[in-house]
Amino acid sequence: SQTIHQWPATLVQPVGSPLSLECTVEGTSNPNLYWYRQAAGRGLQLLFYSVGIGQISSEVPQNLSASRPQDRQFILSSKKLLLSDSGFYLCAWSVVAGGPTTEAFFGQGTRLTVV
Amino acid sequence: DQQVKQNSPSLSVQEGRISILNCDYTNSMFDYFLWYKKYPAEGPTFLISISSIKDKNEDGRFTVFLNKSAKHLSLHIVPSQPGDSAVYFCAARGRGSNYKLTFGKGTLLTVNP
Repeated sequence: SQTIHQWPATLVQPVGSPLSLECTVEGTSNPNLYWYRQAAGRGLQLLFYSVGIGQISSEVPQNLSASRPQDRQFILSSKKLLLSDSGFYLCAWSVVAGGPTTEAFFGQGTRLTVV
Repeated sequence: DQQVKQNSPSLSVQEGRISILNCDYTNSMFDYFLWYKKYPAEGPTFLISISSIKDKNEDGRFTVFLNKSAKHLSLHIVPSQPGDSAVYFCAARGRGSNYKLTFGKGTLLTVNP
């Protein structure tokens, strides 16, 4: 069966510090990978998605970046965190060619607080 | 531009009664709709979905209705249970979008014993 791992679960970082959140998927090959953010009182906002190694699409302009160095590894990074980067970050995966029944499966999330 | 809207931030119902969660969308290219349930400090879990070629999908206590002409879908939970208390997100996928999901802001459902 497929599983998705996301770490750390919680993180407190000072403004201006770097960020690296990692997500790995097991039990599937060539998945679509996603990074979402849920800010306080907001819905789930898609930040990045990837359809393959080294292929990253950004949905919103920001000071975050994403990388996919391996097929089942997705990394969210920042060189300098802002207060507004605080939120709940979620990694997700879906089958690439799943047809009309495709759904995304989420990790447990990382609570990031920038202080 | 919010393409998926959940206009009720919260809903409170009594145990055993029906919960109706609503969702509206604006993009006519959406062809697949999903509901996710989320507990605090956890990732969302998939609940139920419906294709745009259908108007109803049922799975146990959960039924999703789709009204394409009104661009509206709803999730019915009958009977509601205290364990159903969570945030419910409506999501939609567009044709040719590489299966990206666009989410609404969520509705907090509280089922009172």
